[in-house]
This record gives sequence, C-alpha cells and structure tokens, in this order.
Amino acid sequence: GAGVSQSPRYKVAKRGQDVALRCDPISGHVSLFWYQQALGQGPEFLTYFQNEAQLDKSGLPSDRFFAERPEGSVSTLKIQRTQQEDSAVYLCASSSTGDSPLHFGNGTRLTVT
Amino acid sequence: GESVGLHLPTLSVQEGDNSIINCAYSNSASDYFIWYKQESGKGPQFIIDIRSNMDKRQGQRVTVLLNKTVKHLSLQIAATQPGDSAVYFCAEGTSYDKVIFGPGTSLSVIP
Repeated sequence: GAGVSQSPRYKVAKRGQDVALRCDPISGHVSLFWYQQALGQGPEFLTYFQNEAQLDKSGLPSDRFFAERPEGSVSTLKIQRTQQEDSAVYLCASSSTGDSPLHFGNGTRLTVT
Repeated sequence: GESVGLHLPTLSVQEGDNSIINCAYSNSASDYFIWYKQESGKGPQFIIDIRSNMDKRQGQRVTVLLNKTVKHLSLQIAATQPGDSAVYFCAEGTSYDKVIFGPGTSLSVIP
C-alpha cells in the first residue's frame, strides 16, 4: 500500500490481557515512530526506530510496554497486563530519513475494560 | 478559547473566510515546527513545516508564520472550505526524530 498501515483498527482487551499492535511502514522508510494519543489530546511520543535499532524509548510509560522492529520494516508494539489507563489510540508513523516529516497511519484504538 | 481536559479550543469560521490557528511553543531550542491536520478516525496528516531560520513559509492555501521572540506559531488557511474542518496540531522539535505535539485546535467550517 501507499501509506502506513496499522492493525487491528480496533482492539478491546480485558484488564490484565496482553496485546500486540502491528505497524507496516511505507516501504523503504528508515525511521519508525510510535505515539500514544488520548482522547482530545495531541499524540505523545513513545519510541523511535532507525532501521531495526531502537534509538529512543524514553516515552514508553512503563516496562509493560515493549516495541520491536526485528528486520527494520514491520514493527510491533506490545503491551503486557493491560490497564484501563492504557486505553488510547496508538499511532505509528514513518519517515524516509530522520529529517523529513512523519507519515502517520490511522492508528489502533485500544479499549481496556 | 481555553482548553481544559477533553475540551479542545474551537475555532468556527464561515466558508470562504480565512482561518488563523495559533500555537505557543515551549522550547526555545526547537528547530523544526510542523502543522498537522487530523480528521476524525484518521492519523495526523502533514500540512506544512518551517525551520527556525525562517519566519514565514507558504504552501497551497496555507501560510505558516513563526515568531521566535514570543515563541508563537500560526497557521493561516485562505478561503476556508468545509473539507478543512478537523483538529489542527502544531508540533515542535530539535529534529524530526522526536517532535512534541501541542494540544490541538478544532476548526469548524460553517457552510
């Protein structure tokens, strides 16, 4: 596809369950970012990859959050033992270099009940 | 307008009028400033950016103004159309690697 693709589009999890969110960046894009967006708020940075290297994970809210990009393309954001405060839209973005604007996917809306 | 919790600042404009959306940024060391448009159920979409060595940049129907003295950024949309209705975010960063988004402004276009 031409854009960043995220799946699933919606995810409902019971409190305590683990979830995995997938991001397919634009082909050839080196940089990949994960953001968390609470209702009515701006996106907040979670983590950043350049190829397969995770260069910044300072925005991950706790050690329950883990992201990987093993082959420098598809990325997965995993949240273990989900809590209600994890409910948000999780956005993935990619860019061709570290010096170009981000292209965002449409996000995964996670609801923890 | 003011923003408290879930309530975004809202700007309502008549179709065909010009819109001005304002943003105050916090980091005087920021070098990149970007405006994004987010429609309901979609991810943010890049509109225009400006670097700190510029004070004005124009795109198609949009102009971004940067005032570093007062740390203020604005987005002007000419001849606003119903399709411009969305939430607009400014974002700042020392590079594109880790931009910080502002709280957003909801633009509503009245036909």
